Amino acid sequence: KQEVTQIPAALSVPEGENLVLNCSFTDSAIYNLQWFRQDPGKGLTSLLLIQSSQREQTSGRLNASLDKSSGRSTLYIAASQPGDSATYLCAVGDKLIFGTGTRLQVFP
Amino acid sequence: DTEVTQTPKHLVMGMTNKKSLKCEQHMGHRAMYWYKQKAKKPPELMFVYSYEKLSINESVPSRFSPECPNSSLLNLHLHALQPEDSALYLCASSQAGSGRNTGELFFGEGSRLTVL
Repeated sequence: KQEVTQIPAALSVPEGENLVLNCSFTDSAIYNLQWFRQDPGKGLTSLLLIQSSQREQTSGRLNASLDKSSGRSTLYIAASQPGDSATYLCAVGDKLIFGTGTRLQVFP
Repeated sequence: DTEVTQTPKHLVMGMTNKKSLKCEQHMGHRAMYWYKQKAKKPPELMFVYSYEKLSINESVPSRFSPECPNSSLLNLHLHALQPEDSALYLCASSQAGSGRNTGELFFGEGSRLTVL
């Protein structure tokens, strides 16, 4: 059974810092991995989708990498801003099993 | 248009009521999903429809009944719910369904359900 873990569970940083969020999964037989952000009480916003054949994807200040063989993905956020404050979730597999999430707070 | 629309945004119901949650997408996606999310927890998959057929049911109690009238619409019929069923119900869609590369999933804003 696929298990997905995210570290750290929570993170509080000053504005401007570069951040790394981690996602680990137990079953490497995946088609893709997706990163989402969720604001409190809201739905999920897709950030990046990495196919299993890809090593990384970039969108603006976000960069996600995937090492399928080791069961790891990282989300790198450059020059963090208060508007980045949210919960970040990774999800894998065709059933989209979600990780436990990282709650990020960026303060001015 | 990458929008998934869910209605209603909020729903309060008694344990004897019958109500429905609705979800709509116009991206031409052939797979649609229902997830349940409790506070401070990640979403949990309930159902997947692929090409308008139920392809995954994650052992969900029969008081939740999904329906996919066409490729753009997904309903979740609710009957005789329990207070512990109170949660945020999220709908999503993707180009392809389970058992294959789904592509990117797009989520709606969710329906906040409270069962009294």
